[in-house]
Amino acid sequence: DTGVSQDPRHKITKRGQNVTFRCDPISEHNRLYWYRQTLGQGPEFLTYFQNEAQLEKSRLLSDRFSAERPKGSFSTLEIQRTEQGDSAMYLCASSLGGTLGLDSSYEQYFGPGTRLTVT
Amino acid sequence: GENVEQHPSTLSVQEGDSAVIKCTYSDSASNYFPWYKQELGKRPQLIIDIRSNVGEKKDQRIAVTLNKTAKHFSLHITETQPEDSAVYFCALRASSGSARQLTFGSGTQLTVLP
Repeated sequence: DTGVSQDPRHKITKRGQNVTFRCDPISEHNRLYWYRQTLGQGPEFLTYFQNEAQLEKSRLLSDRFSAERPKGSFSTLEIQRTEQGDSAMYLCASSLGGTLGLDSSYEQYFGPGTRLTVT
Repeated sequence: GENVEQHPSTLSVQEGDSAVIKCTYSDSASNYFPWYKQELGKRPQLIIDIRSNVGEKKDQRIAVTLNKTAKHFSLHITETQPEDSAVYFCALRASSGSARQLTFGSGTQLTVLP
């Protein structure tokens, strides 16, 4: 499968616990995005990487959230001290960006998501 | 930030009829407008997109139109089939700053009745 993959697909945790999700983008894609989707809503942007650099973070991303992409390939999203309001689908997407500020492709391809339930 | 309004929130059509979903936006700097289809429990899938230098794009039964002056874009599905039933999201990408993220509409639940 050459698409975006995410692990785990489902996570149930108790309030206060830490969780970590992984995203593997399409191999040649240098841009990686994290979004959060709650029931009945469209995805909301959380953060974005170009290669290993985290270039943008949403105001939605509280200090309990941290994301990394250490080698410019896979990424992890960690939520510390989870709260019930963190329950959502966490989606990862990737795209092939150009260099020198010129985008060769805007198309973002999504992974299957990790559904987080905080009890 | 950018805001996208999507209408209607639900849409039921008879098989074979056409479906139209419309989105309006406020930031004239937006330059890329994709549409995603999301079936229950599955990932959003890109079905068609359009850039701001184009007014219309068609791919078989699906078309997207963009009116930059009025700041709205629409998805048109012709000859609908039951497998078209899903939630459809419009989205857009701003051209300014370093942001590359998409801003999504709230979705339209399309039901195609056999």
